[in-house]
Amino acid sequence: AQSVTQLGSHVSVSEGALVLLRCNYSSSVPPYLFWYVQYPNQGLQLLLKYTSAATLVKGINGFEAEFKKSETSFHLTKPSAHMSDAAEYFCAVTPIYNQGGKLIFGQGTELSVKP
Amino acid sequence: EPEVTQTPSHQVTQMGQEVILRCVPISNHLYFYWYRQILGQKVEFLVSFYNNEISEKSEIFDDQFSVERPDGSNFTLKIRSTKLEDSAMYFCASSEASVGGEQFFGPGTRLTVL
Repeated sequence: AQSVTQLGSHVSVSEGALVLLRCNYSSSVPPYLFWYVQYPNQGLQLLLKYTSAATLVKGINGFEAEFKKSETSFHLTKPSAHMSDAAEYFCAVTPIYNQGGKLIFGQGTELSVKP
Repeated sequence: EPEVTQTPSHQVTQMGQEVILRCVPISNHLYFYWYRQILGQKVEFLVSFYNNEISEKSEIFDDQFSVERPDGSNFTLKIRSTKLEDSAMYFCASSEASVGGEQFFGPGTRLTVL
């Protein structure tokens, strides 16, 4: 069965530092890949998605992610962290053959940003 | 900006009671979903719904659960006889397209079963 692994349940960076949140999927056929962000007491908001076009995907708030088929990875990066980036980040996949479009989520990574 | 809304934001119920969680998806969306997140765990898919039918459901979505689109705007999740382990945050989502489409999530309903 399809699964998603996010390495590190908690990541802490200093303001201005690089943000790197890791995501690996398990599938022989690359799925559609998504990163969602959840701010406290809010729903999940889409940051970016990969649907088999360009392998480097740019999203909102300066985030981007690179799809690497050889590594079955879709890591999320941001060159310079801002205090407002503190939130929980979820990597998710949808198998391309899945008609219903369900999202399969990773465990989530909580990002803390220190001043 | 259109958004998905959910009511109530917090529901407390006694074990064995029925609860109905309500969602208003974005008006031109055709695909609807329920997910749940037990505290400290990952977000889990429950059910997808399209054209007044369930498209797919997970093993979690047993006979105690049902979904309905009673009118043109609401999408509900009913739990017939709640258990302690149903305590979780329940998220509704909607999208224009199914596979690969962006799902827009509501803020969630926190269900507490005592």
